[in-house]
Amino acid sequence: QKEVEQDPGPLSVPEGAIVSLNCTYSNSAFQYFMWYRQYSRKGPELLMYTYSSGNKEDGRFTAQVDKSSKYISLFIRDSQPSDSATYLCAMTGISGTYKYIFGTGTRLKVLA
Amino acid sequence: EPEVTQTPSHQVTQMGQEVILRCVPISNHLYFYWYRQILGQKVEFLVSFYNNEISEKSEIFDDQFSVERPDGSNFTLKIRSTKLEDSAMYFCASSAMNTEAFFGQGTRLTVV
Repeated sequence: QKEVEQDPGPLSVPEGAIVSLNCTYSNSAFQYFMWYRQYSRKGPELLMYTYSSGNKEDGRFTAQVDKSSKYISLFIRDSQPSDSATYLCAMTGISGTYKYIFGTGTRLKVLA
Repeated sequence: EPEVTQTPSHQVTQMGQEVILRCVPISNHLYFYWYRQILGQKVEFLVSFYNNEISEKSEIFDDQFSVERPDGSNFTLKIRSTKLEDSAMYFCASSAMNTEAFFGQGTRLTVV
């Protein structure tokens, strides 16, 4: 079983839709959860950083963590064509290490 | 806004040659990282660096790789004798203690 699983997509949605992106993980020791956005051939750009179960909201983005199910989500409201990118989940915080374990990324296309 | 900067943006090198990839982390950050992303694959951890020494490395980071913080601002990754399979995007990242990591825009390394 992979440490972090993420559907690669592509996921195509119309402009204005609510987008739901998800990751599951196998190691219950992960403590910190991140979502990054990556445009083609660019570096990952941090969107959200959470460390507890529950929801965290920032503008059009909401990150949700369910540690009991080992499942995290990113919701994008009122999606725009400029949101078209690959979204990466990442996790870290197993005792003594801060290396990030990334998912494979979900490619999102928002159609105008 | 402070950012991680990487140079060069693209490096082409012949197999067997040495390359040095350079990074300027965010100035008050204490933890430094190198990750790589082979085209079409996920972002993979290479090495983390704290307090002037390697704190963790992956199995990818073999004897051909080394890192250095030669002065108070730069952080470098050296590949001693490049192989074709070293072709990838290399990302530098930095973080303060126990917080999210910020990534640079990457160096695209092409080994021919």
